Amino acid sequence: AQSVTQLDSQVPVFEEAPVELRCNYSSSVSVYLFWYVQYPNQGLQLLLKYLSGSTLVKGINGFEAEFNKSQTSFHLRKPSVHISDTAEYFCAVSSSSNDYKLSFGAGTTVTVRA
Amino acid sequence: EAQVTQNPRYLITVTGKKLTVTCSQNMNHEYMSWYRQDPGLGLRQIYYSMNVEVTDKGDVPEGYKVSRKEKRNFPLILESPSPNQTSLYFCASSGRYGYTFGSGTRLTVV
Repeated sequence: AQSVTQLDSQVPVFEEAPVELRCNYSSSVSVYLFWYVQYPNQGLQLLLKYLSGSTLVKGINGFEAEFNKSQTSFHLRKPSVHISDTAEYFCAVSSSSNDYKLSFGAGTTVTVRA
Repeated sequence: EAQVTQNPRYLITVTGKKLTVTCSQNMNHEYMSWYRQDPGLGLRQIYYSMNVEVTDKGDVPEGYKVSRKEKRNFPLILESPSPNQTSLYFCASSGRYGYTFGSGTRLTVV
């Protein structure tokens, strides 16, 4: 079984500053990794995913994440945030052999201030 | 438009009164799943389905039932709801490599 730990429950950040959201996972098999975003009162939207290949993954809205197998991490970054990036962010993992069973972290709430 | 549709969006019910939350997808996806979202716990999988008539328990299946009679539909049934099932529920579907989520159903059991 796989699991995910998001290391920060809340991240306040000023507009135009960079942000990093940390995610560690545990699994005994090879994994697929995902970041989802949930804007207030909405469902989840896929930001980006890592399946294989290049460890640096680029997603929508200027976000990117880096897969680090040795550190079992998949941290999400954005170089300059906007007010509209205020949302809750979820890291998720599935095994590559059972990718329908997706396990989520507890979420990180990002609040962007002017 | 490719989407997962859940109904209703909001539901308040009383303890013990059976209810069904419907879910439908128009992407011909094989995989479908139900999650509940609670503060501080993230999303936890209730049930999932790999295809028609093939379902299995997720991490928190107690108190829930599902059925998958057609590929596009995957209803969630609460036979006797209890207050600890008050939560935000999401249905999701996947072809491969990541789920598409519905807009959610906020359920309150009093």
